[in-house]
Amino acid sequence: KNEVEQSPQNLTAQEGEFITINCSYSVGISALHWLQQHPGGGIVSLFMLSSGKKKHGRLIATINIQEKHSSLHITASHPRDSAVYICAVRSWGGSNYKLTFGKGTLLTVNP
Amino acid sequence: GAGVSQTPSNKVTEKGKYVELRCDPISGHTALYWYRQSLGQGPEFLIYFQGTGAADDSGLPNDRFFAVRPEGSVSTLKIQRTERGDSAVYLCASSFGTESGTDTQYFGPGTRLTVL
Repeated sequence: KNEVEQSPQNLTAQEGEFITINCSYSVGISALHWLQQHPGGGIVSLFMLSSGKKKHGRLIATINIQEKHSSLHITASHPRDSAVYICAVRSWGGSNYKLTFGKGTLLTVNP
Repeated sequence: GAGVSQTPSNKVTEKGKYVELRCDPISGHTALYWYRQSLGQGPEFLIYFQGTGAADDSGLPNDRFFAVRPEGSVSTLKIQRTERGDSAVYLCASSFGTESGTDTQYFGPGTRLTVL
């Protein structure tokens, strides 16, 4: 079993829909990251959070440390949001530089 | 300012050949990371540099893989006797390398390696 599990693996939505991507992890963490990867492009960090909720524009990320679960929400989705969204966790202690990644969720937003 | 750059963007080689992949981090970033991303998977950690030294190379899959960062800036990932299973996108990231380890990592566009 992977340490970081994402669901769904693939998600297709119509423009304007509210999107939720989930991430569950099985290890103790110091922080969780949400990242965006466009086809053929590099990875961009969207959020780093260790508790509560963060918001940036139409993107909202939440984390529940007790339940080892995080969600990424996109409000009023747009075709330009189409990308792979990746959850990654940082471990505690001396290896806290190391990121463990989920497999990613491929989001397609149709006009 | 310039982000992390990686060269080449694509590399096609034959089984058994030697390849070098280059990463130019953001100026001033002391920490540098290499990851490997196979098709349909998330990136996997390979090696972490703090300055010139490899602080953690536990992710390198075997002794055919080696990475250097001689002057604490540019890094080269070297793969000897390439195998078809080495085909993947190799990602480099850099960060300021704070002691807390929680600083943001900035990723390059990756090098797509194909071993025929």
